[in-house]
Amino acid sequence: AQKITQTQPGMFVQEKEAVTLDCTYDTSDPSYGLFWYKQPSSGEMIFLIYQGSYDQQNATEGRYSLNFQKARKSANLVISASQLGDSAMYFCAMREGRDSSYKLIFGSGTRLLVRP
Amino acid sequence: DTGVSQDPRHKITKRGQNVTFRCDPISEHNRLYWYRQTLGQGPEFLTYFQNEAQLEKSRLLSDRFSAERPKGSFSTLEIQRTEQGDSAMYLCASSSDYFSPGTGDSYEQYFGPGTRLTVT
Repeated sequence: AQKITQTQPGMFVQEKEAVTLDCTYDTSDPSYGLFWYKQPSSGEMIFLIYQGSYDQQNATEGRYSLNFQKARKSANLVISASQLGDSAMYFCAMREGRDSSYKLIFGSGTRLLVRP
Repeated sequence: DTGVSQDPRHKITKRGQNVTFRCDPISEHNRLYWYRQTLGQGPEFLTYFQNEAQLEKSRLLSDRFSAERPKGSFSTLEIQRTEQGDSAMYLCASSSDYFSPGTGDSYEQYFGPGTRLTVT
């Protein structure tokens, strides 16, 4: 079964508007971490934001916020005031606490295109 | 700190040849990971080192693949007798075990720019 599901292969957003990228996850481990990474066309994965399963508040980092709904097992990324430079692939990933390697399990990604 | 570096950035090889990739992690990071990313997919875990010890290997890592991290510093990933199905982006990432006041227990992984392998 897919542990990380990103159902939006592609998204468009108008510059300066907000956009939500969906991510649902599946784990029975009570301790886990959720990550969002950005991958521009250059290929490098850029860490954006992290949410721990025990964190009470939704994570925020500048224009990025994570809408964490634990009961629904969703961790959607919200980008406010989109910029042209936000056009990229976005990946949701999970780390399970019982896995001592801390390896990341990635979804298939969402390609975001910001229109001027 | 210059971040995680990988060399080469691109490699084109003929089927059956051997290739070796290098990854230089962030200097104080004790954890090092290799991932493979095929077109249109997210990265998939290949193997993990803690210092010089290779502690986990994915089933994706066939016998033709071998990875090393001598002295717990840089790492190499070698693919022997390459096949067309090996064509992919190979990503290296590193992280620290240490709790960071800024990022807490995230232990986020910092990725290199990747090596894109094309097998013809």
